[in-house]
Parts: sequence; structure tokens; C-alpha cells
Amino acid sequence: GAGVSQTPSNKVTEKGKYVELRCDPISGHTALYWYRQSLGQGPEFLIYFQGTGAADDSGLPNDRFFAVRPEGSVSTLKIQRTERGDSAVYLCASSLKGTSPGGGEQFFGPGTRLTVL
Amino acid sequence: DAKTTQPTSMDCAEGRAANLPCNHSTISGNEYVYWYRQIHSQGPQYIIHGLKNNETNEMASLIITEDRKSSTLILPHATLRDTAVYYCIVRVSGTYKYIFGTGTRLKVLA
Repeated sequence: GAGVSQTPSNKVTEKGKYVELRCDPISGHTALYWYRQSLGQGPEFLIYFQGTGAADDSGLPNDRFFAVRPEGSVSTLKIQRTERGDSAVYLCASSLKGTSPGGGEQFFGPGTRLTVL
Repeated sequence: DAKTTQPTSMDCAEGRAANLPCNHSTISGNEYVYWYRQIHSQGPQYIIHGLKNNETNEMASLIITEDRKSSTLILPHATLRDTAVYYCIVRVSGTYKYIFGTGTRLKVLA
């Protein structure tokens, strides 16, 4: 079946602009995660959704970052007033068992590479 | 806070076992240890996870020490396609925040 998809695959923007990054999780997966990965580093947790609600947004770096999942499926990560330091690969993952004790296997998308000039 | 420590890089001869260690001395009692790998330009791929008992699946084996402060991922017969960055991951207790760390870059040599 189809895996997690993310669009666009690459996004180049100018400092100060607004961007939206989209994630289509695997059908039926209620848990959805966003991560950010800088060059040479491991993925860094941003936010977790269980269904439509953000159950844990403790990883969002500041109030310029916001994410939504209005119908419990597709999610959009929104970044306002982008800065050069926001340049990274933004990864989305979905899971069947987000709330189980082990959390469950996460299936990752290919990521969106964001470059802020 | 939850944290993992892994060697930066390792080499392994093709066909031999690759043993990748991870230290997670601050892990909470009810949190699992997860292993993922990431091949260049792709999203991470799940390998295996465990709580306290050793685990095995078609990809790998996971050995967790009795005190749960460290674990070892074993790829029994490494192939060139196993060249990747391997991450040992734990979750911050009481949250959904998974900590990846910087991982081990495994290079399988022909």
C-alpha cells in the first residue's frame, strides 16, 4: 500500500516568508509526528498528533511554528517569518499505535527539504 | 532527560555480524528502546524495538542489558545494502517526544 507522502519534496524560500509543508500519512494511522533534521544530525521531534489534536507540541522551537491536522488525516506544518536557521529536512511519520506503551513503529515519509535564503 | 549515546561510526566486513552499541542510561523503567536506520536521502526505517527481553525479527536482533542502561543491535550477516546511519531511540517518559541522537554511521565493506 501507499506509504507516507510529503509535499513538496523541496522548497526554497526567502527569509521572512511563510511556508506550508504537507504530510499525507498512511490511511488509518491515527498517530502523526513531525520531525526536523539538520545536516549531520538525527531527527529532532517537533509535534505529535493523536487524531485531530496536538497531544504533544513540546518540540516546536518557537511560536513561528504551527501544525494542524483538521480531519485527523493530512497534516500541515506552517512556518511564519522563516529564518535561515529553519533550513532543514522536515520529516513526517505516522503510526497505528501512538498511544500504546511502546508507541509503535513509525513509518516515515521522504521529507521536505526546506532552504531559506 | 532521556538521551542516547552511540559511536559515531563503525565499519563491518560484508557477511560478518555488525554489532552496534547504544548507551541509554537515563531510560525510564517503562520506556522501550527503538532502533531505526536511515539510508542517505530517505526517511528513517524501523528495525526493531524492545523493553527488557531480547528481541529478534527478520532484520536484526536486539540485546538489552539486564539493567536496561544499554543495548546492542545485531545485524547477523551484514550486506552492502546495510550501509546506513543507525539510530537508537528512547522516548521521554510521560511524553511522545522521541530522542534520536546523532546515530552510528555503519559502513559495510566488500
